[in-house]
Amino acid sequence: KQEVTQIPAALSVPEGENLVLNCSFTDSAIYNLQWFRQDPGKGLTSLLLIQSSQREQTSGRLNASLDKSSGRSTLYIAASQPGDSATYLCAVYRGSNYKLTFGKGTLLTVNP
Amino acid sequence: KAGVTQTPRYLIKTRGQQVTLSCSPISGHRSVSWYQQTPGQGLQFLFEYFSETQRNKGNFPGRFSGRQFSNSRSEMNVSTLELGDSALYLCASSLAAGTETQYFGPGTRLLVL
Repeated sequence: KQEVTQIPAALSVPEGENLVLNCSFTDSAIYNLQWFRQDPGKGLTSLLLIQSSQREQTSGRLNASLDKSSGRSTLYIAASQPGDSATYLCAVYRGSNYKLTFGKGTLLTVNP
Repeated sequence: KAGVTQTPRYLIKTRGQQVTLSCSPISGHRSVSWYQQTPGQGLQFLFEYFSETQRNKGNFPGRFSGRQFSNSRSEMNVSTLELGDSALYLCASSLAAGTETQYFGPGTRLLVL
């Protein structure tokens, strides 16, 4: 059974700092991994999708890496801003069962 | 292009009642998935539909059911509501098999009293 763990559960940083969020998964037979952000009471916004054959993806100040063999992914946020404050979720997609398995998320607070 | 829409956005029901939630995927998307989000359990998979066929169902009781129509719109139904069914219900759509980016709707917040 796939399990996804995100560390830390919460993180508070001053504005401008670079930071890394971690995600680990137990079953390396994944098709892709997706990072989302969720604002309080809202739906999920897709940030980055990494296919299993890829090592990283970049979008603006965000960079996500994937090491499938070790079951790890990181989301790097450069020059953090207060608007980055949200819960960040990673999810893995196996393909054969047509579902995303989510971690519990990291609650990020960026202080002005 | 319009995003994933879910109706209603908020719902208050009492125990024992039933509820139907609706999801309209992004135009052209044929895969629709449903998830339940609670503070204790996080996001849990309910079911996935593709071309009107349920391809997988999560570990939820039979009170939870769903369907997909020929226009890819989907509904989920919960019968005999329990207090523990209070949650944010999220719908996601993707082009085909889910191997592409999955896009989520704003969710339906269900409160069972």
